[in-house]
Amino acid sequence: EAQVTQNPRYLITVTGKKLTVTCSQNMNHEYMSWYRQDPGLGLRQIYYSMNVEVTDKGDVPEGYKVSRKEKRNFPLILESPSPNQTSLYFCASSSKQGNEQYFGPGTRLTVT
Amino acid sequence: AQKVTQAQTEISVVEKEDVTLDCVYETRDTTYYLFWYKQPPSGELVFLIRRNSFDEQNEISGRYSWNFQKSTSSFNFTITASQVVDSAVYFCALNDYKLSFGAGTTVTVRA
Repeated sequence: EAQVTQNPRYLITVTGKKLTVTCSQNMNHEYMSWYRQDPGLGLRQIYYSMNVEVTDKGDVPEGYKVSRKEKRNFPLILESPSPNQTSLYFCASSSKQGNEQYFGPGTRLTVT
Repeated sequence: AQKVTQAQTEISVVEKEDVTLDCVYETRDTTYYLFWYKQPPSGELVFLIRRNSFDEQNEISGRYSWNFQKSTSSFNFTITASQVVDSAVYFCALNDYKLSFGAGTTVTVRA
């Protein structure tokens, strides 16, 4: 089954404790991206990747890191999480930029 | 400046009523793509439609229809004869050199 998976689905952590949210797709897609969803703001792009080893900042990259060492994986790293990073995070992939994106199920992160 | 504006924050209708969701976008590019996504209460994001900037044909898919008007930079979405299962948040999105989402419109369909 074609899908985008994210782990964990729910995470509660404390300020400053490094964490990684994994994202994996099995569709051989070149384009992957991360979004955060906050009430009233829709989805805002954090980082995106056009292909392996090619990443770029989206609209809200501060406080986040990503890497794309393999085509299927695109982890999101929060080196020192803060409460303003409490949000719902989505990973997405598409065959190329401009095509429809397939979204993962979301990761609800709470930073206390 | 917001690139995608969904002016309606919430819409509430009774089942079988039609509902139209407005989407206005802003771009200087001549080649771009427009999308609608649905987010039901379960939280997943579901792709509904993609339209490129050179294709202004309206589209109908079952009870869903989309009206793309380049002259007014709008890409509106209509649900005909709404059903309770249509209750969701609907997002309009623009992909020019990057992908930007609107803030979303929450549609509640009451039985």
